[in-house]
Amino acid sequence: KQEVTQIPAALSVPEGENLVLNCSFTDSAIYNLQWFRQDPGKGLTSLLLIQSSQREQTSGRLNASLDKSSGRSTLYIAASQPGDSATYLCAVGVDSNYQLIWGAGTKLIIKP
Amino acid sequence: DAGITQSPRHKVTETGTPVTLRCHQTENHRYMYWYRQDPGHGLRLIHYSYGVKDTDKGEVSDGYSVSRSKTEDFLLTLESATSSQTSVYFCAISETAYEQYFGPGTRLTVT
Repeated sequence: KQEVTQIPAALSVPEGENLVLNCSFTDSAIYNLQWFRQDPGKGLTSLLLIQSSQREQTSGRLNASLDKSSGRSTLYIAASQPGDSATYLCAVGVDSNYQLIWGAGTKLIIKP
Repeated sequence: DAGITQSPRHKVTETGTPVTLRCHQTENHRYMYWYRQDPGHGLRLIHYSYGVKDTDKGEVSDGYSVSRSKTEDFLLTLESATSSQTSVYFCAISETAYEQYFGPGTRLTVT
């Protein structure tokens, strides 16, 4: 059974720092991996989608990498801003009906 | 933002009562999903639909049923609500490539 883990559960850093969020999964047979952002009381917004054949994806200050063999993905945030404060979740796609298995998320706080 | 609405947004109900949550989309996407989100568990899939009247169970389907009679609506029913079903419920839609778009969520409290 696929399990997805995100460590740490919470992270607080000063504004301007570069940071890395981690996601690990137990079964390397995935279709893809996604990173989402969730703001308090809101739904989820997809940030980056990495297909199983890809190694990384970039969008603005965000870069996500995928290493299937080691069961790991990282989300790199450059030059963090207070507006980046949110919970970040990763999810792996596991079958052809587009089912996702989710990590519990990392709550990120960027201090001004 | 994708056109997804959920109703109600908040509900308090008593143990043993039936509850129906509605998800409505205007995007004509084929796939629709119901998740619950609880502290420490991330999102867990309850049921999903891959077309009108085509549904299947997810990871935590016990105590829940769904129906999809039209492309745009996906209903989640708790036949007899229990306190363990207190949660935030999210609906999502998808057409291709796992790119799911989420509704704003429904906060359900069962007392």
